[in-house]
Amino acid sequence: GESVGLHLPTLSVQEGDNSIINCAYSNSASDYFIWYKQESGKGPQFIIDIRSNMDKRQGQRVTVLLNKTVKHLSLQIAATQPGDSAVYFCAEIPMDSSYKLIFGSGTRLLVRP
Amino acid sequence: GAVVSQHPSWVICKSGTSVKIECRSLDFQATTMFWYRQFPKQSLMLMATSNEGSKATYEQGVEKDKFLINHASLTLSTLTVTSAHPEDSSFYICSAGQGTPRGYTFGSGTRLTVV
Repeated sequence: GESVGLHLPTLSVQEGDNSIINCAYSNSASDYFIWYKQESGKGPQFIIDIRSNMDKRQGQRVTVLLNKTVKHLSLQIAATQPGDSAVYFCAEIPMDSSYKLIFGSGTRLLVRP
Repeated sequence: GAVVSQHPSWVICKSGTSVKIECRSLDFQATTMFWYRQFPKQSLMLMATSNEGSKATYEQGVEKDKFLINHASLTLSTLTVTSAHPEDSSFYICSAGQGTPRGYTFGSGTRLTVV
């Protein structure tokens, strides 16, 4: 079946460094992608989104890159802070799916002080 | 911003009993709510789509008679886990929508433990 997956289950970075979290998706019909942050015992929190007609979108300290050729999505976090420690999920919304999210497997980001 | 409240945040119940989880949109009306289940160290899996005033749409493999969903108003959807078993122990999360992908806000989740 179709799925969204991640290359790295755990990423450890030094505070102040940049973080890059990757995601591979398989549904070429998806036209909307979202990155979520989930802290322990809480629901996912929206970080940034991107439509399939874009290849890059920037937010505050975060950038999402979309490469449709290889079906790859990445989240870049600049100057990673301890508060960024969490599990990060990418999610896709296939076209005409009534906003049903398909989540990737998640990457745990650990920020070393 | 949009706020979605889930209650209870955690619950422990005995095998064979039923548990009801509430999902409320506090400051907006949600025609659609989604229910997800998340096992430890795993991703969120969509269980069902709840539409106000109509029957829920369940994902393949989710038993509709076991996971009863009611969306009686534009601000409340409930998930009832009937005849709970230990394998139903999980983190249940709802999200409520405002009609755009970015507009879907997640609740804080409910940790269900069946003993």
